[in-house]
Amino acid sequence: GAVVSQHPSWVICKSGTSVKIECRSLDFQATTMFWYRQFPKQSLMLMATSNEGSKATYEQGVEKDKFLINHASLTLSTLTVTSAHPEDSSFYICSATEIRGGYTFGSGTRLTVV
Amino acid sequence: GENVEQHPSTLSVQEGDSAVIKCTYSDSASNYFPWYKQELGKGPQLIIDIRSNVGEKKDQRIAVTLNKTAKHFSLHITETQPEDSAVYFCAASRVGTSYDKVIFGPGTSLSVIP
Repeated sequence: GAVVSQHPSWVICKSGTSVKIECRSLDFQATTMFWYRQFPKQSLMLMATSNEGSKATYEQGVEKDKFLINHASLTLSTLTVTSAHPEDSSFYICSATEIRGGYTFGSGTRLTVV
Repeated sequence: GENVEQHPSTLSVQEGDSAVIKCTYSDSASNYFPWYKQELGKGPQLIIDIRSNVGEKKDQRIAVTLNKTAKHFSLHITETQPEDSAVYFCAASRVGTSYDKVIFGPGTSLSVIP
């Protein structure tokens, strides 16, 4: 079946630095990728939707200058958390869709900002 | 926009008993309803899904029912096993020529007691 690889699985960074998270579709072309954030014991909250070659669409309340999303190819999307602060610490999860249908989720990235 | 509610938030059952999780959605245009299982520190895994042109779907011990008129859908797990313990999320989306964003319910933490 479809596989989405997300990397890194966990990262610790200092406050004020930037962190990049990668999401790759391994065996299919992902026309659309979604980025979610999940706080402990809470549901997944959609941050943005990205289509290959175009600008991402951000959900209300998500700072587009802080969470930079790039979807440069049909198999790769990246999320960069810029000038990270402790309140950005969370579990970030990507999801990809393909023409055959369905959503495939990555394994998530645990970000801790110290 | 779409809003998905889910009940109960926590559920404990004895091994071998059945577990039922219920969800409602608000957007009548939603036509795809997946269910995900999430284990601690991992991304969500699709366990079953149903489309709006179907009222019920079953896969071994797991079944999902959909009432489009009432905008209700439910997950039924029979003969529960300890390895079924996890957080379960219902979700809703619109699919057609493309796949729209997935909106998640708040989740149900299921504990199966041996």
